[in-house]
Amino acid sequence: NAGVTQTPKFRVLKTGQSMTLLCAQDMNHEYMYWYRQDPGMGLRLIHYSVGEGTTAKGEVPDGYNVSRLKKQNFLLGLESAAPSQTSVYFCASSYSPGQGTDTQYFGPGTRLTVL
Amino acid sequence: DAKTTQPPSMDCAEGRAANLPCNHSTISGNEYVYWYRQIHSQGPQYIIHGLKNNETNEMASLIITEDRKSSTLILPHATLRDTAVYYCIVRVLYNAGNNRKLIWGLGTSLAVNP
Repeated sequence: NAGVTQTPKFRVLKTGQSMTLLCAQDMNHEYMYWYRQDPGMGLRLIHYSVGEGTTAKGEVPDGYNVSRLKKQNFLLGLESAAPSQTSVYFCASSYSPGQGTDTQYFGPGTRLTVL
Repeated sequence: DAKTTQPPSMDCAEGRAANLPCNHSTISGNEYVYWYRQIHSQGPQYIIHGLKNNETNEMASLIITEDRKSSTLILPHATLRDTAVYYCIVRVLYNAGNNRKLIWGLGTSLAVNP
């Protein structure tokens, strides 16, 4: 049971390049999330998904797209990277039993630098 | 959205109890309090959560005041490996309760000293 894994761990991009970050979970969780973490700021939600085939915007969605084609995978795409997207990206997942509590389990993070 | 307020940093001696306070004075009745920690830029790790009753698990205890406007996370016997940033978070409901999100603050940087 690997939990939540993220690929890649590190990446350096040039402005305007595109890339996709992959998140995978093996806990059969319904909900998945993408966050970014910047120095001096708390985690901010980019996009999230409440189930296979669904996605929704979080607090800071601009410049990112996501897809949830399979329940276990949640992809975060940057179509045209900008230096402002330099950050550490965390993926998380949670089981969502109706309106009850939902503890989020996080991956190890992806450190992205955009030059 | 409910917000939380935590001291930016705290120190604790190894083997002693670490008591981390959190204020969430605008919390609503159906909003849970969660605690996570983040060790050296790793992914955040869940510790404990509660609604209005005190909670205890193998990692920590959570004490929530009766008016629910504040809480305290207690690490009973802190070790060097407990050095981390501790986040007190409120989980809020929106879209008529169909969705929910965690509101993250800056946390408390706990240093456990030998």
